[in-house]
Amino acid sequence: GENVEQHPSTLSVQEGDSAVIKCTYSDSASNYFPWYKQELGKGPQLIIDIRSNVGEKKDQRIAVTLNKTAKHFSLHITETQPEDSAVYFCAASSYSSASKIIFGSGTRLSIRP
Amino acid sequence: NAGVTQTPKFQVLKTGQSMTLQCAQDMNHEYMSWYRQDPGMGLRLIHYSVGAGITDQGEVPNGYNVSRSTTEDFPLRLLSAAPSQTSVYFCASSYEPNTEAFFGQGTRLTVV
Repeated sequence: GENVEQHPSTLSVQEGDSAVIKCTYSDSASNYFPWYKQELGKGPQLIIDIRSNVGEKKDQRIAVTLNKTAKHFSLHITETQPEDSAVYFCAASSYSSASKIIFGSGTRLSIRP
Repeated sequence: NAGVTQTPKFQVLKTGQSMTLQCAQDMNHEYMSWYRQDPGMGLRLIHYSVGAGITDQGEVPNGYNVSRSTTEDFPLRLLSAAPSQTSVYFCASSYEPNTEAFFGQGTRLTVV
């Protein structure tokens, strides 16, 4: 079945700097790659997603890139702000695997003032 | 504008007890799923359903049962609680597969 690995597990960046979180997946049939943000005591919320027919997607300060050949996808946050501090999860799914969404282990991002 | 509602928010069980975690959504979503979240292990899929009357196993189904008699409700049953089931449980729903999943607030379960 699908396996998603996420790195790093913790990340601390200076406010205003960029943060990058990387994920790899194992199932070449995966075609949907969402990213979720989880704040303390809450459920995860979708912040951006990308499908396999697109190499890059951007939404204001957040961007996601996908390399299908290498089975890598990454989240980029620019001009980080204190409210970006949270746990971030990558995930992968495909119709061929009955659309089960498999999550990475999470990255705890801390923004230093 | 309720979205996905989970009850209870907190629960303490003794080993061997059974209980049901409730999940309801008011968005008419067909796809619902249950995850458990443990430190350093992310969210692991327990069971999921692609519509009323249809359920299937995820990554870690042992010790849990589900049913889907209506579109709105997807309860998770712990048959005989064990300390290894101490975790935070999240229910999620989506309109269709491979689209945004909406999560509930979670249930923190402790088995002693």
